[in-house]
Amino acid sequence: DAGVTQSPTHLIKTRGQHVTLRCSPISGHKSVSWYQQVLGQGPQFIFQYYEKEERGRGNFPDRFSARQFPNYSSELNVNALLLGDSALYLCASSLARNEQFFGPGTRLTVL
Amino acid sequence: EDQVTQSPEALRLQEGESSSLNCSYTVSGLRGLFWYRQDPGKGPEFLFTLYSAGEEKEKERLKATLTKKESFLHITAPKPEDSATYLCAVQNNAGGTSYGKLTFGQGTILTVHP
Repeated sequence: DAGVTQSPTHLIKTRGQHVTLRCSPISGHKSVSWYQQVLGQGPQFIFQYYEKEERGRGNFPDRFSARQFPNYSSELNVNALLLGDSALYLCASSLARNEQFFGPGTRLTVL
Repeated sequence: EDQVTQSPEALRLQEGESSSLNCSYTVSGLRGLFWYRQDPGKGPEFLFTLYSAGEEKEKERLKATLTKKESFLHITAPKPEDSATYLCAVQNNAGGTSYGKLTFGQGTILTVHP
């Protein structure tokens, strides 16, 4: 069975630009969560969506937004990029509030 | 606010030298404690979930245990391929904006030398 997939793998943007990251969950999983991982730290929770509704939001500015589609895939959008947004963005899928299985991540570099 | 602290930050072992990694946590109500393994540049790989104090889980050379304040990941006779960052995370049993949220520690970087 396919695991969680994310695209793109790597992305380079400049300050002020906008970025969209995409995630496809494991088949049958209805919950998708997004995390930001800065080098040397553990992942930080950004959002969780379950059945297309936002169920949780971490301590991130309004420049970060997300949505979940009818097929349970998800997008994370970040506006007005800052240098500090450079990180590995991880998507995780789960059945609900169960074990979360992570994708390979999208490495975002903001110049 | 949920907090997770892992120690040591880095651990170097010789192949076959057993040791333990520590995860101390504070959470309003623990729903589950999770261990993950992460290789450089990759996403975390799920290892274990522990739900209540006294619970133990094993997988190959790894054994995870849980008390009311901390969890240990014991590594028996490690091999070089066990080298990775090991992450601990907690999930509380609250709803609302904390629904499903995992709070991670900073990780322990394990290096096993042949």
